This record gives sequence, structure tokens and C-alpha cells, in this order.
Amino acid sequence: AQKVTQAQTEISVVEKEDVTLDCVYETRDTTYYLFWYKQPPSGELVFLIRRNSFDEQNEISGRYSWNFQKSTSSFNFTITASQVVDSAVYFCALSEAYDYKLSFGAGTTVTVRA
Amino acid sequence: DGGITQSPKYLFRKEGQNVTLSCEQNLNHDAMYWYRQDPGQGLRLIYYSQIVNDFQKGDIAEGYSVSREKKESFPLTVTSAQKNPTAFYLCASTLRGKDGYTFGSGTRLTVV
Repeated sequence: AQKVTQAQTEISVVEKEDVTLDCVYETRDTTYYLFWYKQPPSGELVFLIRRNSFDEQNEISGRYSWNFQKSTSSFNFTITASQVVDSAVYFCALSEAYDYKLSFGAGTTVTVRA
Repeated sequence: DGGITQSPKYLFRKEGQNVTLSCEQNLNHDAMYWYRQDPGQGLRLIYYSQIVNDFQKGDIAEGYSVSREKKESFPLTVTSAQKNPTAFYLCASTLRGKDGYTFGSGTRLTVV
């Protein structure tokens, strides 16, 4: 069975600090997809990134960057120069190609203080 | 615009009542999902359906039921057997997983 672990429950930083969110996953499938979502207080899930298991390139999008390492089954997310608007719950998720079932980690609450 | 519509946004249920949460999508997605989120916790999968007239239990299906009579619709019924139904419920859909998942805006259910 697939599993996603986000060991950090809460992270609190001061504005402009960098924040790294850890995500470790388990799967028996060779083809799978990894996701990061942001959940602001309104509750809706905001899609941030999707990465398939065959693409280990790191990605940068503005202040966001992702580090995918198959060797350690990790897909970590970094927010550079954090801002108050980054305060939210962030979820890492995994889906396997054979059934598309999307499994979530427990989430990490990020609080950015001014 | 295509998307997922969940209704109602807020729902109040009396103890012992069944209630049905609506989820409709016009994205022509094959697969649909229901998740439950408790305060301060992650999303747990209740039920999912990959094609019409077929669905599978997720991790916490007890006390819930679903149907998938149409591709566009995947209603979730919270039965009286669900002992602690107060939670935030999210519906999602996907064409083929790798293409990404679309989420609705959620229904907040409260037992009164």
C-alpha cells in the first residue's frame, strides 16, 4: 500500500526566512505521481506541482522549489524568502498509475510571522 | 468553465439522520474521490470510483455510502452509522491521475 509521511506537523518562521517541508513516500509501483498542494484557511486545495516517477529534475517556480530524490523516496518543498501569504497547510500526495488513488500526508502547517 | 461543484457549502445534521453531499463535475473525468478532513489533520480517502457503476472503499468507508450512476456525479451519503461525521468533506476528480486532480471547494458538515 502506498504511504506518504510528512514528519513536520508545524513550522513557524519569520518573514524572509526559507522554509523546507519534508515528504517521504512508500510505493511498490514503478510508475507513480507526486504532488504538493496548499490549503489556505478557506479550505480549498491549491495545486502547486506534479512530478512523475521518471522525472527527477528539480524544479523552481518563483520562490518555490522542489527536490525529488528517488534514492531516498523523498520529494521536499522549499519556500525561499517566505511571506505572510505563504501561511497555510501544505500537503504532499502520491498516486500510483494502476488505480489513480491519491493518498495524502498528514500535512505541515506553515506560519510566517511578519 | 469546467470544474467540480460541491453542495451545500455548509450542512447541519441531527443525530440519527442520513445526509447526502453532492459532487458534480463537467470535466469529463473518469475517476472521482471523496475525502474527509478533520481539524488539524490530513485528508483521508472515504470512497473512490474509476468508472460509472463501480466504486471502491477507501481507508475510512464505514458509515458512508456512494453511488456512481452518471459520469458527472458522485454523491456521498453520510449515514447514521457514522458516529462522528462532523468534518470537512472534499470531492476530487481526475482523468488519468498523471494529468492532475481537480478538487471541489468542500462541504463542512456539522452534527447538531
